[in-house]
Amino acid sequence: NAGVTQTPKFRILKIGQSMTLQCTQDMNHNYMYWYRQDPGMGLKLIYYSVGAGITDKGEVPNGYNVSRSTTEDFPLRLELAAPSQTSVYFCASSLGGFTEAFFGQGTRLTVV
Amino acid sequence: GENVEQHPSTLSVQEGDSAVIKCTYSDSASNYFPWYKQELGKGPQLIIDIRSNVGEKKDQRIAVTLNKTAKHFSLHITETQPEDSAVYFCAAKERRDDMRFGAGTRLTVKP
Repeated sequence: NAGVTQTPKFRILKIGQSMTLQCTQDMNHNYMYWYRQDPGMGLKLIYYSVGAGITDKGEVPNGYNVSRSTTEDFPLRLELAAPSQTSVYFCASSLGGFTEAFFGQGTRLTVV
Repeated sequence: GENVEQHPSTLSVQEGDSAVIKCTYSDSASNYFPWYKQELGKGPQLIIDIRSNVGEKKDQRIAVTLNKTAKHFSLHITETQPEDSAVYFCAAKERRDDMRFGAGTRLTVKP
């Protein structure tokens, strides 16, 4: 029973590099989310998706892109990494509405 | 958009005492209020939630209260235990299906 799986767990990027954070869920959830967590700042919503082919911006979308070609996968793309993107990234999924969101273990990203 | 404020940022209690964490929200359209617990190195996990048509909900040692008029809600943990030590987040969800979180409260329960 995997739930929400994120890869990689840790990554160091140089300024200007690009990378994709992978997220997959096996619960057949329509709703998926990407959050970033900075110390003392809680979780900020980057992007979310209410189903395959549909994505929408959250609070802090600048510098990121997402796609949702399947129900299971919701990758987050950083095109030109900047030090301000150093953070812990969490992917989550839910059935939508007033239901529990299940989180992955997180990806700790450092941009140097 | 929704803005959620959470207090206190840190809370230290003695084992067996109660702990209370408070949150306020700005958007009166929000109608779902979950609480998440995050242990070190892990993702947040839901511990209790409440919907806007309910004023209070309890699950063993954990309870949540909601005051829609004042736009605030609180988490109450009674008979705290060392394993309750973690970071707790409140959140509010409005009709657009995104969920906004508070900044978190680091709870330490001293044995």
